[in-house]
Amino acid sequence: DTEVTQTPKHLVMGMTNKKSLKCEQHMGHRAMYWYKQKAKKPPELMFVYSYEKLSINESVPSRFSPECPNSSLLNLHLHALQPEDSALYLCASSQKPPGQGMYNEQFFGPGTRLTVL
Amino acid sequence: ELKVEQNPLFLSMQEGKNYTIYCNYSTTSDRLYWYRQDPGKSLESLFVLLSNGAVKQEGRLMASLDTKARLSTLHITAAVHDLSATYFCAVDLYGGSQGNLIFGKGTKLSVKP
Repeated sequence: DTEVTQTPKHLVMGMTNKKSLKCEQHMGHRAMYWYKQKAKKPPELMFVYSYEKLSINESVPSRFSPECPNSSLLNLHLHALQPEDSALYLCASSQKPPGQGMYNEQFFGPGTRLTVL
Repeated sequence: ELKVEQNPLFLSMQEGKNYTIYCNYSTTSDRLYWYRQDPGKSLESLFVLLSNGAVKQEGRLMASLDTKARLSTLHITAAVHDLSATYFCAVDLYGGSQGNLIFGKGTKLSVKP
């Protein structure tokens, strides 16, 4: 298995809802990432997990809560989002955590298109 | 602050023509990545360039890296419609120690018959 999968593909939620995004990889990668991408913009890094521990939080609001239950799974819990949080949320993984390999080639999942009403 | 600048941001070209996309970055790094993104889709890794003078080719695309000039190029040879997509370059912040890939704004390529 050489891909990163994400569910759901699309999500519409109200500002009072609680929902979760899920990401899975079975490539044995030890680093996983969440990115946010607005339309016609490049991806922006949100969180990095290295060996299932949160290593980077790019000053993301607390209404986004990441979780890494094991080395293959990454969740992003959403609560009390705002309409401006509507975006494509991309998960990625890399073979080794940052700084521990020759390079940091990241493999991206298909994304979850999130709409906050 | 690391800046990664791509140009052009929009490129409309005819099939069969050649063109080059440029990626300039503002800090020392010898690790540069090129990704392709189709509309509404994810990012696909195209090239990983790891040293000064690195050159990689895949089909009609060729990428190179000049770390002294802090410049990478993505050259398109004899473009075909299937190459229409947005192309991003990305640079490792802190040379890879932090994991942050800083992306350029992307070049939206449209290849017309």
